Amino acid sequence: GIQVEQSPPDLILQEGANSTLRCNFSDSVNNLQWFHQNPWGQLINLFYIPSGTKQNGRLSATTVATERYSLLYISSSQTTDSGVYFCAVERRAGGTSYGKLTFGQGTILTVHP
Amino acid sequence: NAGVMQNPRHLVRRRGQEARLRCSPMKGHSHVYWYRQLPEEGLKFMVYLQKENIIDESGMPKERFSAEFPKEGPSILRIQQVVRGDSAAYFCASSTGTGDYEQYFGPGTRLTVT
Repeated sequence: GIQVEQSPPDLILQEGANSTLRCNFSDSVNNLQWFHQNPWGQLINLFYIPSGTKQNGRLSATTVATERYSLLYISSSQTTDSGVYFCAVERRAGGTSYGKLTFGQGTILTVHP
Repeated sequence: NAGVMQNPRHLVRRRGQEARLRCSPMKGHSHVYWYRQLPEEGLKFMVYLQKENIIDESGMPKERFSAEFPKEGPSILRIQQVVRGDSAAYFCASSTGTGDYEQYFGPGTRLTVT
């Protein structure tokens, strides 16, 4: 099956700093999503971005599908950004949607005040 | 606009008991997915269902686990004769099943087997 690797595994920042999280995947994908798992365990949708660039406030994401990677940018980080960031991809074989997201292991982000 | 709802949020079962986890998809969504998050294994796909149909159950353990999404009512993930290794967070997600298939997740059910 498809492999998803995220880096770095851990990241510690001071409030106000910027960061870039990376997601590499081993095959072409039909769907790529970024999630934030907050300290209460809830998975929050950040971006649906199989290709291109999107921005939402302090967060932005870019996926270069031909080179099989995606980047999540966090600017002016806040303590509430702490948690685990997951990249998840879906590959549909044979033109049929299987709906199966494969998750990376996540990046644990800690933002100190 | 209510999101994906799961209940219970926390469930404690003794070894050998049955666990039933419920998921109501977002309004307008007809596709449901179940995932399990184990501490050392991360988030793993279990099963994908549409109303009255299992589309892909490739991630479901072969024994003791079953899932359904009836015509009326929530989707149910059922675990029979639970063991300590079943302790995990179980997440449900839903999508419209058309267009981009973006999945939205519920808050999860934390199952503890004692």
